Amino acid sequence: QVQLQESSPGLLRPSETLSLTCTVSGYSVTTGFFWGWIRQPPGKGLEWIGNIYHNGDAYYNASIRSRLTMSIDTSKNQFSLKLTSLTAADTAVYYCARGGVGVAAVDPFDYWGQGTLVSVSS
Amino acid sequence: EIVLTQSPGTLSLSPGERATLSCRASQTVNTNYLAWYQQKTGQAPRLLIYAASNRATGIPDRFSGSGSETDFTLTISRLEPEDFAVYFCQQYGSSPGTFGGGTKVEI
Repeated sequence: QVQLQESSPGLLRPSETLSLTCTVSGYSVTTGFFWGWIRQPPGKGLEWIGNIYHNGDAYYNASIRSRLTMSIDTSKNQFSLKLTSLTAADTAVYYCARGGVGVAAVDPFDYWGQGTLVSVSS
Repeated sequence: EIVLTQSPGTLSLSPGERATLSCRASQTVNTNYLAWYQQKTGQAPRLLIYAASNRATGIPDRFSGSGSETDFTLTISRLEPEDFAVYFCQQYGSSPGTFGGGTKVEI
């Protein structure tokens, strides 16, 4: 079955860069879906970060677009996120998931990783 | 971007009762691409309903979705103990795919 697993960067300092990778098993990232990132600050709701297609077509949340880069490695069946200039407001559980919206496809998030807590603190 | 407002914020019910959750969009959701997710403490969200009224794979038929354009509803016909959780709606008809603030269903 489809499984997603986020990497675990743990504790980061303000102004540092967050690098997250999602490894997909049981399904090829080249087959017909976007691949997305969602975050959830402690005790709060869900925030869509962005999603990327296997051809590199990416859509980002406007509120963090200037700090965000997403990429996809079809040879490793992985996709990644880089978020620069971190602040405490970026502290959240980060989820990767299959699905998203763009020109190539429109899908809900039907498979999710377990999530990884990213804490930003000095 | 489309803003989704969920109500009520908290719903206090007993097992066996019916739950009705609302999700209102600030503008029409394209093609009724509205999803509902269930999240339990410490777990990732789980897709329940997509395209407003379609149950995802393995979701019991006590969960149903309805609505169109800007007004959507998730109904749980008879609450089971495992249904007490937080529920989020999400529109994915246009980018960004925004989420509602959530409704907590508590005992």
